[in-house]
Amino acid sequence: QKEVEQNSGPLSVPEGAIASLNCTYSDRGSQSFFWYRQYSGKSPELIMSIYSNGDKEDGRFTAQLNKASQYVSLLIRDSQPSDSATYLCAEPTGGGNKLTFGTGTQLKVEL
Amino acid sequence: DAGITQSPRHKVTETGTPVTLRCHQTENHRYMYWYRQDPGHGLRLIHYSYGVKDTDKGEVSDGYSVSRSKTEDFLLTLESATSSQTSVYFCAISSSLNTDTQYFGPGTRLTVL
Repeated sequence: QKEVEQNSGPLSVPEGAIASLNCTYSDRGSQSFFWYRQYSGKSPELIMSIYSNGDKEDGRFTAQLNKASQYVSLLIRDSQPSDSATYLCAEPTGGGNKLTFGTGTQLKVEL
Repeated sequence: DAGITQSPRHKVTETGTPVTLRCHQTENHRYMYWYRQDPGHGLRLIHYSYGVKDTDKGEVSDGYSVSRSKTEDFLLTLESATSSQTSVYFCAISSSLNTDTQYFGPGTRLTVL
């Protein structure tokens, strides 16, 4: 069974710094990953997807996939207090129409 | 937000009673999912549906059943609620064109006393 692991945190960073969130996975055949953001008391929302080795940038967010080392990371540049949330990584399972989620990393951006 | 609603949003019930949670979508998406979210466990898939009357089990399906008689509605039933089923339940949807991308409903907080 596929496993996706994340450090639960909390990860605290000062405002304006780069926040680095990491996720490791067990399936060497995994081809794609997704990052969801979940504010306290709210539902998860997709913020990034990455389908190939390397980096993908979208605004202040960069997703990095390293298949050789089996990890995927999310970098948030110029962190803002509004980025304070739990970040979940997920990978497709069961032929691609299901997702396996990590337990999430709580990020706190401090003023 | 994707057109997904869940009802009820909050429910308190007693052990042994049946409970049905409803997920309704207006996106005409093929796939629908029920997850539960608990501290330390993250999101875990209970059941999912890949079309009307087509459903399958997820990793934590014991004690739960589902039904999908219309594209827009996916029901989750706890036949006899137990305290271990106290959780936040999320419904999600995805289209057949992009099954990887799931959109989540607002969630239902269920407390079983």
